Amino acid sequence: AQSVTQPDIHITVSEGASLELRCNYSYGATPYLFWYVQSPGQGLQLLLKYFSGDTLVQGIKGFEAEFKRSQSSFNLRKPSVHWSDAAEYFCAVDFSGNTPLVFGKGTRLSVIA
Amino acid sequence: KAGVTQTPRYLIKTRGQQVTLSCSPISGHRSVSWYQQTPGQGLQFLFEYFSETQRNKGNFPGRFSGRQFSNSRSEMNVSTLELGDSALYLCASSWEEPPSYGYTFGSGTRLTVV
Repeated sequence: AQSVTQPDIHITVSEGASLELRCNYSYGATPYLFWYVQSPGQGLQLLLKYFSGDTLVQGIKGFEAEFKRSQSSFNLRKPSVHWSDAAEYFCAVDFSGNTPLVFGKGTRLSVIA
Repeated sequence: KAGVTQTPRYLIKTRGQQVTLSCSPISGHRSVSWYQQTPGQGLQFLFEYFSETQRNKGNFPGRFSGRQFSNSRSEMNVSTLELGDSALYLCASSWEEPPSYGYTFGSGTRLTVV
């Protein structure tokens, strides 16, 4: 079965430090790739998405992600984390361009002063 | 522009009862999808509706059903509730094709089965 793996369940970073959240997915010919963020008690907010073209995509709130087809990865990065970035982050994949999203289990981000 | 509205926000039901959750999509969005979120299983796809037709269905028992009305509003129903149905149920609407490319999620309905 097609799957999405987020290897890190919980990450703690200092405010102002850089961040990278990892996401790997099982094989998909033309995957649509997404990163969502969820604050406690809230729904999911789209940070960025990739369909085709430039493999480095920019999103909201200063986030970016890079698609690496050879590694089946779509890692999320931010150069300087703010305390308000503390939340849960989900990587999601539409494996063929018209199938329901498959989500990773999420990475919880804590930000310390 | 109003977002995706899910009602109620919180619900407590007893085992064996049934429940109906409602989702009002963003105006103009014709696709509505439902996801179940639990700590153990994460986010899992339930079903997707487009113009009142179910286009995709996830791997859930027949106790889970849904429908979409002509105004694109959607409801999902869970019959004979089990403790394991306790979850956050999220609805997402989209006007794009594929719908996943343009999902906007609601804040969810938190269902607790006791």
